[in-house]
Amino acid sequence: GAVVSQHPSRVICKSGTSVKIECRSLDFQATTMFWYRQFPKKSLMLMATSNEGSKATYEQGVEKDKFLINHASLTLSTLTVTSAHPEDSSFYICSADKGGSEAFFGQGTRLTVV
Amino acid sequence: AQSVTQLGSHVSVSEGALVLLRCNYSSSVPPYLFWYVQYPNQGLQLLLKYTTGATLVKGINGFEAEFKKSETSFHLTKPSAHMSDAAEYFCAVNNAGNNRKLIWGLGTSLAVNP
Repeated sequence: GAVVSQHPSRVICKSGTSVKIECRSLDFQATTMFWYRQFPKKSLMLMATSNEGSKATYEQGVEKDKFLINHASLTLSTLTVTSAHPEDSSFYICSADKGGSEAFFGQGTRLTVV
Repeated sequence: AQSVTQLGSHVSVSEGALVLLRCNYSSSVPPYLFWYVQYPNQGLQLLLKYTTGATLVKGINGFEAEFKKSETSFHLTKPSAHMSDAAEYFCAVNNAGNNRKLIWGLGTSLAVNP
């Protein structure tokens, strides 16, 4: 199998604080992980591509300093939302690539900033 | 550039009726095509994919899709809808190259009526 675990599944934080979301590939090594943001009733918006041991590649319009991505090992990538504001509230999803044609998705994280 | 169009943001069928979710794509290179399903507040699960070979692909939960190059389509079907099929469905394409970013359709919300 290919299981991707995302944690936490839900988080509520105060405006101005930072939140870290973890994405782990449990039974395979993922050289590439992707981070998406999904607005209600909308499709997935790719935020960045994360490669192990190198800097993430951000999509146009995504603030690098606000959405910090670290891919420190072949099984773990983290997304930190810094100085979160209510407009950052969203559903964040990661996926991991094990080298084949298919991407494997985490369960998603519902972030609510109050 | 690649793109995906899903015709119909909302589809409603009766239980036991045929399900048809439409997906058209554009790609300058041979595409890999995917259908994913998303249940509320969850990540995405792969239903089926086309990479090469047989153009009619069968997936999980009784779904299938046919790759039609001449029509640039990859419509998803299921002969008989079940209540548990109610979910959001996403069609996606990538270029099968080293940059395996998925290009997503906007999604189709499937409702199944008793």
